[in-house]
Order: sequence, then structure tokens, then C-alpha cells
Amino acid sequence: DQQVKQNSPSLSVQEGRISILNCDYTNSMFDYFLWYKKYPAEGPTFLISISSIKDKNEDGRFTVFLNKSAKHLSLHIVPSQPGDSAVYFCAATATNTGANSKLTFGKGITLSVRP
Amino acid sequence: EAGVAQSPRYKIIEKRQSVAFWCNPISGHATLYWYQQILGQGPKLLIQFQNNGVVDDSQLPKDRFSAERLKGVDSTLKIQPAKLEDSAVYLCASSSKLGVNEKLFFGSGTQLSVL
Repeated sequence: DQQVKQNSPSLSVQEGRISILNCDYTNSMFDYFLWYKKYPAEGPTFLISISSIKDKNEDGRFTVFLNKSAKHLSLHIVPSQPGDSAVYFCAATATNTGANSKLTFGKGITLSVRP
Repeated sequence: EAGVAQSPRYKIIEKRQSVAFWCNPISGHATLYWYQQILGQGPKLLIQFQNNGVVDDSQLPKDRFSAERLKGVDSTLKIQPAKLEDSAVYLCASSSKLGVNEKLFFGSGTQLSVL
């Protein structure tokens, strides 16, 4: 039972354009969402997060949008750069289940930014 | 600041053999996690420690997997005996305290191939 879904396995965009990475979730208890970025042969690194009390969080070129009614979030990268080419994981958790609430990850999306 | 250290980077074994992975978290980080990432999937939590105590091991296959974190610092994860389906990258992560609002810092992982 996949509670966090990243249905598109890959995305290719031109350098300078916008990258939009989508994520859907099924568990209505999830109230905190994170994006991690992973380069080959490295561990994932934290990119950006959003709480369910917000619908948008921005950090430089990265913006995450949350649509709670649709159980959907998206990561926007503007402008995209070749160094953004990596696997992006969406993760979610239900923080009100206790301090040790765990992250559930999606399968990841491979982003390729063409020069 | 040194990151999360893991060894070995790669391990190839035959089924029914035993294997052990080692992790040294970021200095001062009380919480340590072991994740399993099968090819094409997102990371799945195996076990979570707070200092030297287990917080969550609900997804650890305890008939063959074991983990310990003696003295609340570094940790080892063992598989005995290994099965073909254990082929995966084993990621160690740490955070400064309990709670998923705390960013996880991942190591580069150990890639295990079971033949």
C-alpha cells in the first residue's frame, strides 16, 4: 500500500525553464511533507519542507505547494540548472502521532536538466 | 562538520551468508536511523534509535536482521542469513533530536548485492 506516490518516474527539462515535480498522498493523517534530493552514490539530502498549516513554502529557487483537499504537493524549481539533475524524493509524516512519527517516502523522480 | 559515515560502500555476498554494516552519525546527534532502499523504491525505515534505545523497529525483519547502538553513538546493522531480496542500499541517517521536524542527515549508504 503506497501512501506517498510519485507517479512520474522521470522528467526532462531545458536549463532555465521551470521543473515541476508532483507528489500525491493517500493518508489524511499526514501533516508534514519534505523533499529530499539524491545524487548517484550519495545519500539523500534535505531540500525543503512544508507543514499542513501552510500552502506554500519558498527557499530560493525552490518552492513547494501543498493542496490538502487534493492530497497533492508539488516542487517547483525555477530556473532549473544542470546541477539540479538528481532523484527527488517526496516524503510525508503524521506528526500528531507522536515524536517518533516516521517518514514515508515515495519512489522518487529522476530529473534531468538539459544544458 | 563531518557527515554521517558508513562502511563498507559495497558488499557482495552469497545467499545464506552473513553481513554487517557500520554507521557513525554526526557528532552529538541523538537519533539514528537505518533505512533500506531497494532499486526503484524510496527508502524504507528499518529501525530508529534514540541514544542507545530502540524507538521503532516495527519494519525490521527480526528473524534475520538485527541492529545495535552501543553507547549511543555508532551503530551496526546485521543480516544473518541473507536472502536474494535483501539486495539494496542500506542508508544510515541521524538527526539532532527526536521528531521528524528535525532534518535527517544521510550517509552515502552501503550497496549490498546478494547472489
